[in-house]
Amino acid sequence: KQEVTQIPAALSVPEGENLVLNCSFTDSAIYNLQWFRQDPGKGLTSLLLIQSSQREQTSGRLNASLDKSSGRSTLYIAASQPGDSATYLCAVKGGSEKLVFGKGTKLTVNP
Amino acid sequence: DAGVIQSPRHEVTEMGQEVTLRCKPISGHNSLFWYRQTMMRGLELLIYFNNNVPIDDSGMPEDRFSAKMPNASFSTLKIQPSEPRDSAVYFCASSSNRGGGRAWVDTQYFGPGTRLTVL
Repeated sequence: KQEVTQIPAALSVPEGENLVLNCSFTDSAIYNLQWFRQDPGKGLTSLLLIQSSQREQTSGRLNASLDKSSGRSTLYIAASQPGDSATYLCAVKGGSEKLVFGKGTKLTVNP
Repeated sequence: DAGVIQSPRHEVTEMGQEVTLRCKPISGHNSLFWYRQTMMRGLELLIYFNNNVPIDDSGMPEDRFSAKMPNASFSTLKIQPSEPRDSAVYFCASSSNRGGGRAWVDTQYFGPGTRLTVL
C-alpha cells in the first residue's frame, strides 16, 4: 500500500528565504507526482506535475524534483513571500490508479 | 469558467439525519472525484467517476455513503444516516481525461469543499 509522508508538518521562515519542502513515498512504481497548494477554507490548487520519466519541473519561483528510485520529491521555493503561506501537499499516482496524498506541510512566511 | 462548484459550503446536522452534498464539475471535464479531508487521516479518495460511470468506490467507508452522477454536469454524495465521525471537509474535483481511459493523466481541479459537522 502506497504511503506518502511529508516532513516537516509545519515550517515558519522569514520573507525572502529560499526553502525546501520534502515528500517521500514508499512504492517507487508511480505514474506521476503532483504538488498542490491549499489555502485555509479553500480547495487544492495544482502547482506542478512531474511524470515518472521526468526529473524536475519548474514554474516561476517553484521547482519540483523527483527521484523515483529513492522515493523522494522536493519542492523548492525561491525568495519566499508572505503570499506563499499555505499548506503544501504532494500526491502520487501509482499502479492502483489512485492519487495518494501526504498530510501536507503548513508553511508560514513572516514579513 | 467558474471552476468546480460545490454546495452547500457548510452543513451542520444532527446524528441520524440524511446529508446530501452536491458538485458541478468544470464543463467539458469527464472525470469526477469525491475526497474527504480530516486532520487525522488527511485527504482520502472516496470514489471517482469517468464519463458518469463509477470506476472505483473502494474508498467509500460504509454503506451509509453513496454517490451518483446522473449526468456530466452534476454529482451527489449522500450520507444516510450521518454520524459524528463523518464530520470532515468533503471535496469534489474534476479533470479532463485525454489519456484514453487513464483518468489521472491530467491535473485535477478542486472545488472549495463542503465542511460537514455532525452533532
